[in-house]
Amino acid sequence: DGGITQSPKYLFRKEGQNVTLSCEQNLNHDAMYWYRQDPGQGLRLIYYSQIVNDFQKGDIAEGYSVSREKKESFPLTVTSAQKNPTAFYLCASRSGRTNEKLFFGSGTQLSVL
Amino acid sequence: EDQVTQSPEALRLQEGESSSLNCSYTVSGLRGLFWYRQDPGKGPEFLFTLYSAGEEKEKERLKATLTKKESFLHITAPKPEDSATYLCAVQNSGYALNFGKGTSLLVTP
Repeated sequence: DGGITQSPKYLFRKEGQNVTLSCEQNLNHDAMYWYRQDPGQGLRLIYYSQIVNDFQKGDIAEGYSVSREKKESFPLTVTSAQKNPTAFYLCASRSGRTNEKLFFGSGTQLSVL
Repeated sequence: EDQVTQSPEALRLQEGESSSLNCSYTVSGLRGLFWYRQDPGKGPEFLFTLYSAGEEKEKERLKATLTKKESFLHITAPKPEDSATYLCAVQNSGYALNFGKGTSLLVTP
């Protein structure tokens, strides 16, 4: 079945540690996105990528980094510079036409130990 | 700057009690308005896309409508399985969707 796979489902970060969230899609979509969701808040855009080897910062990119070496993969690294990383992280993709819907993964819950 | 405001924040209905959720928006150059359903601990699930004022779409007990300033998600005779958070998002001429904070719906038997 085509879709977006995020892993792990739950992740714990220690003080000063970098952690990487995985996002893989087999929908052959050009565009991929990372959103952050906090309780009672809307989804906020962290980074997005329209094509391989290119990505742009969203509204809350500080403390995060991404790469897009393959069309299928868009990993997100939460660095130690992100002081409040506890949140639900959602990866999404779409075909590239900006009036098309986003397909979402099942999310990763990141917590700080 | 684009803004998306959803109301109410939370809504509790009895099974069979119809109601509407509101999504008010300001956006420069609307290219689409999207409704999603999100269950706890899961990713949003697509429901509808509306592209122009006057457009309506239906799916089972849900009907979405669009004007130049707002969209409504009408829920007719809801069932407990309709309990979820409903998210509204707008697409402008940029590259990402701008989401509202959502309406948390609880339908009791």
